[in-house]
Amino acid sequence: EDQVTQSPEALRLQEGESSSLNCSYTVSGLRGLFWYRQDPGKGPEFLFTLYSAGEEKEKERLKATLTKKESFLHITAPKPEDSATYLCAVPAGTGANSKLTFGKGITLSVRP
Amino acid sequence: KAGVTQTPRYLIKTRGQQVTLSCSPISGHRSVSWYQQTPGQGLQFLFEYFSETQRNKGNFPGRFSGRQFSNSRSEMNVSTLELGDSALYLCASSFLDTSYEQYFGPGTRLTVT
Repeated sequence: EDQVTQSPEALRLQEGESSSLNCSYTVSGLRGLFWYRQDPGKGPEFLFTLYSAGEEKEKERLKATLTKKESFLHITAPKPEDSATYLCAVPAGTGANSKLTFGKGITLSVRP
Repeated sequence: KAGVTQTPRYLIKTRGQQVTLSCSPISGHRSVSWYQQTPGQGLQFLFEYFSETQRNKGNFPGRFSGRQFSNSRSEMNVSTLELGDSALYLCASSFLDTSYEQYFGPGTRLTVT
């Protein structure tokens, strides 16, 4: 069964303390891995798409990487405004049954 | 370019009632997907529409239904509401039915009492 698992569930960091968020996936034939950021009371905001192992993408303090089994979202010198829930998702299923399957998310809190 | 809009933003309904939620996708986007988000289950796929046709449906009871209009706007309906239907309902649009790069609206917070 196609699965997406994110860890840890929650992470508390001090401002400036770099860390990584993990997204493990089990899917037949990866057709992309997607990272989203969600602020409380809002819809998820698209961040990155990764398609192949070894691929990396960056945006400000965030860098996403991809291997054959997992993806990491590295946060360098985070600021309080980086506090949010980070979701990863992969397309699962085949043909007309294919849909984006999300992990439960990682809630990041950055203390000033 | 305006983002995905959803109306209403908040709803309070009583068990047994029905509700209709509306979604306007980004201009030019023809695919609309609906999700239910709860603290326990996370984001769960409800259904997807492309060019007025339902392409895919998640594992939800028949009380959940939707449709898409010729202008790509979409509605979802939940009949005979149950307490467990309380959730954030999110709509997402994408340019193609084969694109998983989706852009989400702010959601409709539904509370069933």
